[in-house]
Amino acid sequence: EAQVTQNPRYLITVTGKKLTVTCSQNMNHEYMSWYRQDPGLGLRQIYYSMNVEVTDKGDVPEGYKVSRKEKRNFPLILESPSPNQTSLYFCASGSGATGTGELFFGEGSRLTVL
Amino acid sequence: AQKVTQAQTEISVVEKEDVTLDCVYETRDTTYYLFWYKQPPSGELVFLIRRNSFDEQNEISGRYSWNFQKSTSSFNFTITASQVVDSAVYFCALSEEDSGAGSYQLTFGKGTKLSVIP
Repeated sequence: EAQVTQNPRYLITVTGKKLTVTCSQNMNHEYMSWYRQDPGLGLRQIYYSMNVEVTDKGDVPEGYKVSRKEKRNFPLILESPSPNQTSLYFCASGSGATGTGELFFGEGSRLTVL
Repeated sequence: AQKVTQAQTEISVVEKEDVTLDCVYETRDTTYYLFWYKQPPSGELVFLIRRNSFDEQNEISGRYSWNFQKSTSSFNFTITASQVVDSAVYFCALSEEDSGAGSYQLTFGKGTKLSVIP
C-alpha cells in the first residue's frame, strides 16, 4: 500500500530535549516536504527536498533541521525544542520532482513542548 | 500579502444545500499549479484536485466542481447537495516556481471549515 509514515504520532517533550520525527515513503517519490499546522494559520512549509542530498528552506525553517540521505526518508530534527514548536506536523511526498504534483501526506505527528 | 486567501474561515450549511468555498491566489508566474485538499475531522489530508495555469477548463467530479478563472485569480470549489460527510476543513494551495530555481513551493491558504448540519 502506497503510504507516507510518520513517527511518533504523538509526543510530549520538554524544552531543550532534542527530538526527531521520522518520515518514510514507499512510492519512490523524489519530492518530500514538512509542514506544520497551527490554528488560524493553516499549513506552513518548514523544509522541502527535491531529491537525495538536496534540501531547501520553506517559510518557517527556524528551529528545525532536516536531512535527505536516502530517497525514502526525510526526518525532521528539533535540536532544542521550544514551546512555540508545539504543533501538528505533516510530512508529504510527491511524484513531481519539482513539487508540482499531487502530494501524499502522512497522518500527522502532534508534538507538545512543555 | 497572502499568496492564497480563503476569506471564509467557517461555513455552516444544512444538508443538501449547495456551498461554494472561495479561493483567491496571487502570483507573478505564468506557470503555476492550484490544488484543493480536504482535512476531515480524523485529521488526514486528502488530495482533491490539481490544476495547472494553462488549463482553465472547469472540472466536475460527482458532487464536486471547481471553477478556475485566471481573470479574477480565483479557484473556487463548489459542493452540490452537501452531505454530513463533507464536513471538513478545506485547503486551497498554490505551487509556483521558487525564484527560478526550478523547484516549486507549495503555499496553502488558511483553510475553510465546512460544517454540514443534518
